[in-house]
Amino acid sequence: DTGVSQNPRHKITKRGQNVTFRCDPISEHNRLYWYRQTLGQGPEFLTYFQNEAQLEKSRLLSDRFSAERPKGSFSTLEIQRTEQGDSAMYLCASSPPDRVGYTFGSGTRLTVV
Amino acid sequence: GDSVTQMEGPVTLSEEAFLTINCTYTATGYPSLFWYVQYPGEGLQLLLKATKADDKGSNKGFEATYRKETTSFHLEKGSVQVSDSAVYFCALSKGLNRDDKIIFGKGTRLHILP
Repeated sequence: DTGVSQNPRHKITKRGQNVTFRCDPISEHNRLYWYRQTLGQGPEFLTYFQNEAQLEKSRLLSDRFSAERPKGSFSTLEIQRTEQGDSAMYLCASSPPDRVGYTFGSGTRLTVV
Repeated sequence: GDSVTQMEGPVTLSEEAFLTINCTYTATGYPSLFWYVQYPGEGLQLLLKATKADDKGSNKGFEATYRKETTSFHLEKGSVQVSDSAVYFCALSKGLNRDDKIIFGKGTRLHILP
């Protein structure tokens, strides 16, 4: 069990640029989640995959955001035309089908300048 | 909608003091309840959980009891240490095979003074 891995750890980008983050879940965890955490707040749910199927998307996930999980393994979260309000910590988590609660990665901190 | 409310921080205590961080929830059905902890510079870690009423979750000297009658899940520790300084998040989820997303409170920052 190597844990949930997220890359990069930090990303600084200029407003208007596109960014992509990657999450590698714990092997054999069929569920994968993306959350966003802004300073002083709790994590907010963005989207959730069961295997390769994206089962739910939050209204926080605007049209500029897209997430994929091809083949039900790693996942990517892309933000197009970044805005300063997108600056946050993006967290990924995974869980197996028979456990309540899940394991978080260390996150990718995005700063849009 | 479902939500979690926890006491605002920061909470500052001296080492060996008794800790209580209050948490109440609003949810339909029978959610599972969690406490997550975030140490400085690290990711979220599950501290403890309870999946049904009257369950007590415990870990590392921390405890919380699922009280359905008061919709609460208060976190307690009898004697805190400097190493307990972190941000603590109360959270709920609807659990297995249903809406699995976790809803978090805003977090409570805890400072323990030596």
